[in-house]
Amino acid sequence: AQTVTQSQPEMSVQEAETVTLSCTYDTSESDYYLFWYKQPPSRQMILVIRQEAYKQQNATENRFSVNFQKAAKSFSLKISDSQLGDAAMYFCAYRSALTGNQFYFGTGTSLTVIP
Amino acid sequence: DVKVTQSSRYLVKRTGEKVFLECVQDMDHENMFWYRQDPGLGLRLIYFSYDVKMKEKGDIPEGYSVSREKKERFSLILESASTNQTSMYLCASTAPRGPQHFGDGTRLSIL
Repeated sequence: AQTVTQSQPEMSVQEAETVTLSCTYDTSESDYYLFWYKQPPSRQMILVIRQEAYKQQNATENRFSVNFQKAAKSFSLKISDSQLGDAAMYFCAYRSALTGNQFYFGTGTSLTVIP
Repeated sequence: DVKVTQSSRYLVKRTGEKVFLECVQDMDHENMFWYRQDPGLGLRLIYFSYDVKMKEKGDIPEGYSVSREKKERFSLILESASTNQTSMYLCASTAPRGPQHFGDGTRLSIL
C-alpha cells in the first residue's frame, strides 16, 4: 500500500507571512493524483488543491500553491499571505490513477496563524 | 456542488448498543467511504464501497460493518459498540479520478 508522510505535526505562521507544509509519499506507480485538504476546527474537510502526476506544472489556487517534485516523491503546500482563516488541520492525500478507489492520507499538520 | 450529508453531528451511545451512522450523497458517485479520525493518527479507512451492494474492507474493519442498498446511501454499523470506538467518523464520496468530498463528520461517544 502507498504511504503518505507528513513530518510536521504542528506549524505556526505570522499573519501575512508565508508557510510551507511538507508531504512525502511512497509509490511505485507513475500515474496518480495528489491532494491537500483543509479541516478547520469542528468543520468540514474541504479540498484545497490537487495535482495530477503527469502534469509537470505545479498547481496553484489563489494563495495556495504546491511544489511537486515527482522524482523526490515530494508534494509540499505553500500558503502565501497567511490569514487567520487558514488556521486548520491540513492533510495530504494520494490516489492511484490505476486502481483508483482508495485514498491514502497523511497524519496531518496543525497550522496556527498568529495575529 | 457535491453534498455529502451525515445523519448526526454528535451522537452518544452506550456500550453494547448497535449503532447506525448514515451517509447520503447527491452526486451519483459510485465510490463511498467511511473513515475514522483520531488525533495523531489521521484518517483511517474502515470500509469503502464502489457500487451498490459492493464493499471492501479498509485498514480497520474490525467491529464494523457497512450497508449499501442504494447508490446514494452508505451506512456504517457498529455491531456492539465499545468505548474504544469513541471517535470522529467521516463519510466521503468520489467520482472516478476526482477528489473526495466529505460530510461534516459524526462525533460519536460510547459510554
